[in-house]
Amino acid sequence: GDSVTQTEGPVTVSESESLIINCTYSATSIAYPNLFWYVRYPGEGLQLLLKVITAGQKGSSRGFEATYNKETTSFHLQKASVQESDSAVYYCALGDTNAYKVIFGKGTHLHVLP
Amino acid sequence: EAGVTQSPRYAVLQEGQAVSFWCDPISGHDTLYWYQQPRDQGPQLLVYFRDEAVIDNSQLPSDRFSAVRPKGTNSTLKIQSAKQGDTATYLCASRRGIQDTQYFGPGTRLLVL
Repeated sequence: GDSVTQTEGPVTVSESESLIINCTYSATSIAYPNLFWYVRYPGEGLQLLLKVITAGQKGSSRGFEATYNKETTSFHLQKASVQESDSAVYYCALGDTNAYKVIFGKGTHLHVLP
Repeated sequence: EAGVTQSPRYAVLQEGQAVSFWCDPISGHDTLYWYQQPRDQGPQLLVYFRDEAVIDNSQLPSDRFSAVRPKGTNSTLKIQSAKQGDTATYLCASRRGIQDTQYFGPGTRLLVL
């Protein structure tokens, strides 16, 4: 079936350190998957961080990057230098073509220490 | 532009009671989604509408859950005879067209005792 697996949290890093949150997907029924990272900051609703709809492309937002790798079925989230304000829950997600249906991973809690 | 609004924000029930959740999407958004998010899980799609039509309700427990969007704007999700396993946050999201992404509301946190 279609599914998303991501790094189990919580993940704790110190400010200015680098970060990678792993995400792999299985898209057995989706011909052209769209890939997303969503984020929920404390006290706020779920919001889109970045998306990539074409294999081989990279998306970026707020210093975060993720590359859609069709060969390894991965979409890892990376940031070179995290800030305390990046503390949040991050969700990797897989969408069907045009992303009418989106399947979410379980989420990764990120704690950034000052 | 106002975001997606949901009410109530919290609900506490005894098993067997009924509850309704209400969602007001962003104006002009034709597609509306309801998700269930158990604790420490990602959102799981229950049902989605395009205008007033149900497009996919295959994950909606039809014996106790129902959802409507009669005028293609606001929507109501109802649980008849709630169970402890229904304890979760219920999220509403809306979207305009195929180029846009989903915008989520703050959610309703449900606790069934």
